[in-house]
Amino acid sequence: DTGVSQDPRHKITKRGQNVTFRCDPISEHNRLYWYRQTLGQGPEFLTYFQNEAQLEKSRLLSDRFSAERPKGSFSTLEIQRTEQGDSAMYLCASSFRPYPTEAFFGQGTRLTVV
Amino acid sequence: AQSVSQHNHHVILSEAASLELGCNYSYGGTVNLFWYVQYPGQHLQLLLKYFSGDPLVKGIKGFEAEFIKSKFSFNLRKPSVQWSDTAEYFCAVNALVGDYGQNFVFGPGTRLSVLP
Repeated sequence: DTGVSQDPRHKITKRGQNVTFRCDPISEHNRLYWYRQTLGQGPEFLTYFQNEAQLEKSRLLSDRFSAERPKGSFSTLEIQRTEQGDSAMYLCASSFRPYPTEAFFGQGTRLTVV
Repeated sequence: AQSVSQHNHHVILSEAASLELGCNYSYGGTVNLFWYVQYPGQHLQLLLKYFSGDPLVKGIKGFEAEFIKSKFSFNLRKPSVQWSDTAEYFCAVNALVGDYGQNFVFGPGTRLSVLP
């Protein structure tokens, strides 16, 4: 299966630590999206890339969050100085083209900040 | 900015009952519309999509949805639900702004519980 892959699947960290998540999109998908999902809520947009360019970042996103997609393939999402409110499922999705298109989601990385 | 609302937070049905989940979006321009499903412990999966053409679209597992542009709605239907349809359902919109597709905006979700 060559779907969207996320690593790690689970991460437990102490408050104040930095964490980094990785997403490998479906091969040849030029768009990559990051979302955050908390229990009972829909996915909340964080940021997205077209190839290596970061096209949009949510205004709700703290400066502690940063994402990269250096070669237009995999992407990393880093959270600095984690807070308990950062506990959530972090989802990555990719799509083949800008529009019209559908997004394919990975299994997500569940972050627990203690 | 686009937004999506879903009419019901939690729907409980018995097997063989008919299902309709409401979805409304706010954006006056060109949009693609989607329903995604999330089964317990699994990732989001595409149920069906609307790009253009026939406003009645059919998806997997007997689901269908109707796009009514004048009402900014994209309601999901299934004539007879099964216990295996128990899941969380998310409506999503992807807008075209200029020549660029934007990010996907999701609704808050509707939890469907089907009683055997």
